[in-house]
Amino acid sequence: DAGITQSPRHKVTETGTPVTLRCHQTENHRYMYWYRQDPGHGLRLIHYSYGVKDTDKGEVSDGYSVSRSKTEDFLLTLESATSSQTSVYFCAISELSAIAFFGQGTRLTVV
Amino acid sequence: TQLLEQSPQFLSIQEGENLTVYCNSSSVFSSLQWYRQEPGEGPVLLVTVVTGGEVKKLKRLTFQFGDARKDSSLHITAAQPGDTGLYLCAGAPGANNLFFGTGTRLTVIP
Repeated sequence: DAGITQSPRHKVTETGTPVTLRCHQTENHRYMYWYRQDPGHGLRLIHYSYGVKDTDKGEVSDGYSVSRSKTEDFLLTLESATSSQTSVYFCAISELSAIAFFGQGTRLTVV
Repeated sequence: TQLLEQSPQFLSIQEGENLTVYCNSSSVFSSLQWYRQEPGEGPVLLVTVVTGGEVKKLKRLTFQFGDARKDSSLHITAAQPGDTGLYLCAGAPGANNLFFGTGTRLTVIP
């Protein structure tokens, strides 16, 4: 199994609070991704990174920011959590673009 | 947004039956991946197809990429309960991105 760790695995937070999710890899892969998975929508890309400090937006980036200060860590921040951001969040990594290994997911509930 | 439609959305079959799942788009992809996801876990890559018309086999699973690289199919022969899960296709229009279909949820009844 690819070495990807997401933390926390579960989180409940209040509307309006900032939340940071962490993805840590031990594979030294270049590309890292954050997806959210919702019923009826499948997996949708939030942000991705193609190197340290190199990031770009995906299709559902509003309300989210990311940072990658080290190859192994990719952080996703919800600046002010809303109920619409209740979801399961997956981090993924790849060395060759478009081939990804996924983490186990973080279930986030915004109340 | 690249739209990938998967059909059927839900499929429930008896052990030993054959089935085919489809992934269709109006867009051309440089590659297409199939994943299986089990409850509480992340998707796991099954196969990548890159050439139009390509056929790949993984034990009882056969994957085909359409000639025009817009669609793909997954055929399972003699389904087993261990095949139960959510099957996702994902297309890469170019580098650095994957667009996912909404998935086919397969249940194989013993």
